[in-house]
Amino acid sequence: DTGVSQDPRHKITKRGQNVTFRCDPISEHNRLYWYRQTLGQGPEFLTYFQNEAQLEKSRLLSDRFSAERPKGSFSTLEIQRTEQGDSAMYLCASSNRVGAMNTGELFFGEGSRLTVL
Amino acid sequence: RKEVEQDPGPFNVPEGATVAFNCTYSNSASQSFFWYRQDCRKEPKLLMSVYSSGNEDGRFTAQLNRASQYISLLIRDSKLSDSATYLCVVRFYGQNFVFGPGTRLSVLP
Repeated sequence: DTGVSQDPRHKITKRGQNVTFRCDPISEHNRLYWYRQTLGQGPEFLTYFQNEAQLEKSRLLSDRFSAERPKGSFSTLEIQRTEQGDSAMYLCASSNRVGAMNTGELFFGEGSRLTVL
Repeated sequence: RKEVEQDPGPFNVPEGATVAFNCTYSNSASQSFFWYRQDCRKEPKLLMSVYSSGNEDGRFTAQLNRASQYISLLIRDSKLSDSATYLCVVRFYGQNFVFGPGTRLSVLP
């Protein structure tokens, strides 16, 4: 399977614990995005990388959230001291640049569902 | 005001009906526009890009009105398989893609 893969698919944790999600994008894609989605809402942008550089970070991303893409391939999203409000689906997407413009097609993984008790 | 707004629905329509969804965006500097489709408990997938002159893909027609900051999606001859949530997506300067809350469509037999 050469699509975007995310791990773990489900994570249940207690409030205050740290969690880390991993995303492996489509191999030739240089852009990688993290989104968060709660029930009945559209995906909310968290952050985005071009290769290993983190180019944009949402105001939604508090100091407890950190994302890395150390070699410009896979990425990790860590949430420290989790709160119940962090419960959501965390979606990763990748895309590639075509000519001077991005085609607009984000390829999403199936997501990592976080439940904070 | 949210950056991208949509009527959440649900829109319940019979098979064969024509249904239209609207979307408004707040940032006049928005550059690119898209409709994504998300099936229940699945990831979003690109349905179609929206071009300034309007564009059609089979039963789907997308329109953009930059002056009114308004995007639409028209689905003709609805099929049961069209039941999904339709997400309006706007790309601002840079590469941030902003998603609307989605409009839920149920096509009934």
